[in-house]
Amino acid sequence: KAGVTQTPRYLIKTRGQQVTLSCSPISGHRSVSWYQQTPGQGLQFLFEYFSETQRNKGNFPGRFSGRQFSNSRSEMNVSTLELGDSALYLCASSPRGRGGLDTQYFGPGTRLTVL
Amino acid sequence: EDQVTQSPEALRLQEGESSSLNCSYTVSGLRGLFWYRQDPGKGPEFLFTLYSAGEEKEKERLKATLTKKESFLHITAPKPEDSATYLCAVRTSYDKVIFGPGTSLSVIP
Repeated sequence: KAGVTQTPRYLIKTRGQQVTLSCSPISGHRSVSWYQQTPGQGLQFLFEYFSETQRNKGNFPGRFSGRQFSNSRSEMNVSTLELGDSALYLCASSPRGRGGLDTQYFGPGTRLTVL
Repeated sequence: EDQVTQSPEALRLQEGESSSLNCSYTVSGLRGLFWYRQDPGKGPEFLFTLYSAGEEKEKERLKATLTKKESFLHITAPKPEDSATYLCAVRTSYDKVIFGPGTSLSVIP
């Protein structure tokens, strides 16, 4: 089974621009979560989508948004980029819908650099 | 406030020198605890899921255990390829996932 894929892998933007990152979950997985990872803050939860609905949201400003499509693929968008948004953005998918606890499987991440 | 801490922050071992990594949590209800391994520049790689106190899981040189307040990742006779950052995460009763800061492990040949 193919793993979680994320595109693009690397991105360089300037302050004030906006960016869209894409994530394709493992086939059959219905939940997609997004995380921001920085050296100072570690892995921080952004949001989780399940069946095209946002289920959970972390403590990030409204500039960070996301959506999920009917095929479970997900995108996250960051508007009005700031230098502090430079980070590794990770997407994780899990089966959900089976009761019990679902393990999250991560993609390779998108390295965003804001200049 | 829900919190996950890991210790030590960094650990340097000689090849073959066994040790343990700690993950302590204070959360409003634990639905499960996860261990991941992360290599530089890559996404976390899943290792174990633990659901309840007393549970143990093993994989090659790694063994994870869970109590009501903490989890341990025991590494037996580590090899240089075990060098990585080990992350633990908990899913709370409010269905949020919180990651610890990680332990950076270096295994010296």
